[in-house]
Amino acid sequence: GENVEQHPSTLSVQEGDSAVIKCTYSDSASNYFPWYKQELGKGPQLIIDIRSNVGEKKDQRIAVTLNKTAKHFSLHITETQPEDSAVYFCAASRIYNQGGKLIFGQGTELSVKP
Amino acid sequence: DSGVTQTPKHLITATGQRVTLRCSPRSGDLSVYWYQQSLDQGLQFLIHYYNGEERAKGNILERFSAQQFPDLHSELNLSSLELGDSALYFCASSGPWQGRDVYNSPLHFGNGTRLTVT
Repeated sequence: GENVEQHPSTLSVQEGDSAVIKCTYSDSASNYFPWYKQELGKGPQLIIDIRSNVGEKKDQRIAVTLNKTAKHFSLHITETQPEDSAVYFCAASRIYNQGGKLIFGQGTELSVKP
Repeated sequence: DSGVTQTPKHLITATGQRVTLRCSPRSGDLSVYWYQQSLDQGLQFLIHYYNGEERAKGNILERFSAQQFPDLHSELNLSSLELGDSALYFCASSGPWQGRDVYNSPLHFGNGTRLTVT
């Protein structure tokens, strides 16, 4: 069935360092890959997304890369700050005319130490 | 603030009981999705409604049901509750589909309902 594997499960970095989270998906028909940030007591918040016709997308300190051939995609956070500390989820979906459900990875708990 | 409202925030109930979770989507959004988040299963898709019609079902138990009303709010009904149903339940909404095979608008999540079954 559809599956998304996410690594690492925990990640600790020093403030100012970069953080990289990697995901692999199983459904080759997936064509939409969002990343969500979840803070304690809150719902997942979309931080960046990418479609399968794009290899890379950047938004300030956050970037996502996609390798369709290898079926994996990664989140890169540069110049990390303490407020980046949260749980990050990757997800994969098929976008078609009736919408698509998101299949989530298991999450990465990022800790940024001041 | 995502604009998705979920009530109640917390719910404590006993095994065998029935509860209703409510979700109001963002203004203009026609899709409502329900997800369950537990420590061991992560974020699991339950069900999707679009403009009042069920569109997709995931790992939703037969004891669970949902509906989307004409005003587009949605309710998730959980019955014959078991200890293992304790989890966070999230609702997400997204905008109207813009045509065949066109990018679907992103999902925006509410802050969830924490259900504790004792």
